[in-house]
Amino acid sequence: EVQLVESGGGLVKPGGSLRLSCAASGFTFSSYSMNWVRQAPGKGLEWVSSISSSSSYIYYADSVKGRFTISRDNAKNSLYLQMNSLRAEDTAVYYCARSVCTNGVCYFDYWGQGTLVTVSS
Amino acid sequence: SSELTQDPAVSVALGQTVRITCQGDSLRSYYASWYQQKPGQAPVLVIYGKNNRPSGIPDRFSGSSSGNTASLTITGAQAEDEADYYCNSRDSSGNHLNWVFGGGTKLTVL
Repeated sequence: EVQLVESGGGLVKPGGSLRLSCAASGFTFSSYSMNWVRQAPGKGLEWVSSISSSSSYIYYADSVKGRFTISRDNAKNSLYLQMNSLRAEDTAVYYCARSVCTNGVCYFDYWGQGTLVTVSS
Repeated sequence: SSELTQDPAVSVALGQTVRITCQGDSLRSYYASWYQQKPGQAPVLVIYGKNNRPSGIPDRFSGSSSGNTASLTITGAQAEDEADYYCNSRDSSGNHLNWVFGGGTKLTVL
């Protein structure tokens, strides 16, 4: 059974930093691209960042570029998101999601339960 | 970057058919995928590709696409289908491959 379990969320002051983790199990982690998607309270889904299976390709949404860093450790089956210079608008539930892209068909097939990040003084 | 546009809210009578649409330039290059999200829960993939359902998704859910518009159809809506629905695709604008979500459609089953 595929499982994605996020951790590391919490309350942080504006300008502060936080590191999120996602522990993966039930599949060959090193074979899949992984992603972070967030959802502000009462709002829709927003893609944040993606990392390819071997970390060769990394992409960020414009809203977090230069402040967030995605990484992974295939030996530990873990995905990370280092968040710096946090702003109030970064307050959201952050989901870890596995993605699949085959012949132009791309989708997020498994999601974690999310971890809440609150940026407030 | 590209955008995907969805109607904010749609309602359907119990047992009737409802279509939820998603429009955007990226849909000319990539299929949409669709996610169901109930309050307090993580999104769940319901449709991907031309019209594919993951294991466990009822066959009353179907997808279609034409030009820059993708549609999710629920045939014979059930009370448990009341949820927010999001479309999603890759975004090939610019120099890199990002992802884009629609703003979501809140489905009410009457």
